Amino acid sequence: VQLVESGGGMVQPGRSLRLSCAASGFTFDDYAMHWVRQAPGKGLEWVSGISWNSGTIGYADTVKGRFTISRDNAKNSLYLQMNSLRAEDTAFYYCTKSRGPVAALFDRWGPGTPVTVSS
Amino acid sequence: EIVLTQSPATLSLSPGERATLSCRASQSVSSYLAWYQQKPGQAPRLLIYDASQRATGIPARFSGSGSGTDFTLTISSLEPEDFAVYYCQQRIDWPAITFGPGTKVDV
Repeated sequence: VQLVESGGGMVQPGRSLRLSCAASGFTFDDYAMHWVRQAPGKGLEWVSGISWNSGTIGYADTVKGRFTISRDNAKNSLYLQMNSLRAEDTAFYYCTKSRGPVAALFDRWGPGTPVTVSS
Repeated sequence: EIVLTQSPATLSLSPGERATLSCRASQSVSSYLAWYQQKPGQAPRLLIYDASQRATGIPARFSGSGSGTDFTLTISSLEPEDFAVYYCQQRIDWPAITFGPGTKVDV
């Protein structure tokens, strides 16, 4: 199992960024996928999740209305479109694989990609 | 939102000792409680799910117990590689998935 995030970087407040996660080593469309973030020196925060067929999608209240999760099962890829970014969105963003098709149980993690929101 | 409280914040132990970490939920999460280990500079790793089920490849010295609102992660005999931060997480309250603040196990 391998998860590799990309798309992180430094961006000004109010701007957008799109994260991608390339998955391999498992049958991607059998599993839910999630994004979890970790601000510098802080704990873990679940951001968003999407079921195997995109039928169930959820967001943390802190990002609802600003972030959009999506997946392309044909490309074994997960995405996170982040709009109207704020300083408090600064964090390491991890792509995670769920243990089942809909569960929010993170049994594999990518190495993460850093996002810094600063002027 | 279900709030998870972990105690203690820091646990100072020596290799070979037993570690007992606590996670308390503000309301019942049934058995939908998981534990993760995170070492510095690394992504977290799933240790225990559904309160007491060890994830694939996790050594038997790690065990979980509890249900409802009170949960425990026990490391029976600490190995040098076990010194890390441990987080609990509940998944019963979709989409308000929450983690605890973590317990650091250090030497």
